[in-house]
Amino acid sequence: AQSVAQPEDQVNVAEGNPLTVKCTYSVSGNPYLFWYVQYPNRGLQFLLKYITGDNLVKGSYGFEAEFNKSQTSFHLKKPSALVSDSALYFCAAGYSSASKIIFGSGTRLSIRP
Amino acid sequence: KAGVTQTPRYLIKTRGQQVTLSCSPISGHRSVSWYQQTPGQGLQFLFEYFSETQRNKGNFPGRFSGRQFSNSRSEMNVSTLELGDSALYLCASSSGAVDTQYFGPGTRLTVL
Repeated sequence: AQSVAQPEDQVNVAEGNPLTVKCTYSVSGNPYLFWYVQYPNRGLQFLLKYITGDNLVKGSYGFEAEFNKSQTSFHLKKPSALVSDSALYFCAAGYSSASKIIFGSGTRLSIRP
Repeated sequence: KAGVTQTPRYLIKTRGQQVTLSCSPISGHRSVSWYQQTPGQGLQFLFEYFSETQRNKGNFPGRFSGRQFSNSRSEMNVSTLELGDSALYLCASSSGAVDTQYFGPGTRLTVL
C-alpha cells in the first residue's frame, strides 16, 4: 500500500545547529515528493519538491531535501536552524497512476534560542 | 496571482446542523482537494475534484460531500454535524492531482 512515514512526532534543535526532519515513502513507480510547512492557524505552505533529476533539491527559506531512492527517503534539512523555523512540517508523495497525493502525519519542529 | 481563498474562516454550529464551506482556487487550477485537520488524526484527505468530477475520495462517511463548479470553485458540505467534526478544513488547488498543491488558510469549524 502507498504510504508516507514521518517517524518523529517532534524534533528539537538548538538555534544555529543543523536540522533534519525525516521522511520515508512507499509509493509504486517514480514518486513526486514534496515538503510543506504549517504555521499556527494557517494553511500549509509549499517548501520544495522532487520530480526527477538532481537528488538534492533546494527550496524556500534555506531548506533543502535529499532524495534517496535506495532508502526510499526524502529527508528535509537546513544547515543552520532559526527560531522562526519552528512549525509543523509535512512530507507528501504523489503518484500519477492514481492521481493522488499522500501526506505524512507531520513532524513538529521546535528550535530553542 | 491571487492565492486560494476559503470562506468563511470561522464557523460555529450545533450538533445536527449542516454546513457548507467554499473554496476558490488559484486562477487556472482545475484540481481542488479538501482535507480535515485535527490534533488527534492529523491531516486527512476528504476528496479531490478535477473539472467538476470527483476523482478521489477518502474514508469519510457520506455526510461529507462536495462539488465543483465550472469555474473550478468548490464547495464542501457536511450534514448532521457531530462534535467530532470540529476541525480545520483545508482546501488546496493545483494544476493536476500530483502537482504542487497550494493551500488556503482553512475554515475553522466548531461544533457545539
